[in-house]
Amino acid sequence: GQNIDQPTEMTATEGAIVQINCTYQTSGFNGLFWYQQHAGEAPTFLSYNVLDGLEEKGRFSSFLSRSKGYSYLLLKELQMKDSASYLCAVRDNTNAGKSTFGDGTTLTVKP
Amino acid sequence: AAGVIQSPRHLIKEKRETATLKCYPIPRHDTVYWYQQGPGQDPQFLISFYEKMQSDKGSIPDRFSAQQFSDYHSELNMSSLELGDSALYFCASSLITGGAYGYTFGSGTRLTVV
Repeated sequence: GQNIDQPTEMTATEGAIVQINCTYQTSGFNGLFWYQQHAGEAPTFLSYNVLDGLEEKGRFSSFLSRSKGYSYLLLKELQMKDSASYLCAVRDNTNAGKSTFGDGTTLTVKP
Repeated sequence: AAGVIQSPRHLIKEKRETATLKCYPIPRHDTVYWYQQGPGQDPQFLISFYEKMQSDKGSIPDRFSAQQFSDYHSELNMSSLELGDSALYFCASSLITGGAYGYTFGSGTRLTVV
């Protein structure tokens, strides 16, 4: 199975940079996703890493180290609307490649 | 662009009743996943289908069943409902070869069991 750990809560200031870490232990690995979820809404896809290294997408970047079972999501130039839960999800290598989600990190952006 | 459509958006049922949740994936997506998300919890994987065949099963109670039909829509059937079944139920779809794009989630069905 998958065991995924993320910090429960983080707080940051508007305009700042925040890094949300995720560690995982997996019995099969076929990529790691980051999703953003606002309360009561569906998760929305942010990023995907399957090889080691950094993937950059605008204000959001995600990093993966497979040997360390570690990823982070970096959010730059924080905006108030970035206040949300950020979910790390590991995709396994079964037929349909289901994803197992971490408990999520609730990020609060303050003015 | 078409998204994943779930119905109904909200559902209130009494204990021991049955419920059917529907999901219409993005056209041409070949994989459907069902997740259950309790208040303040992460989405828990229930079951998935690839090309209309069940491909994986997670923590889905025996009281629940699901299937995918010839038009690719999927239904989650829940019987003998319990108070603990109250949750948001998400359906997501993807292309099995398009892992880099993640899942596209529907807006979810909020089930309340009273």
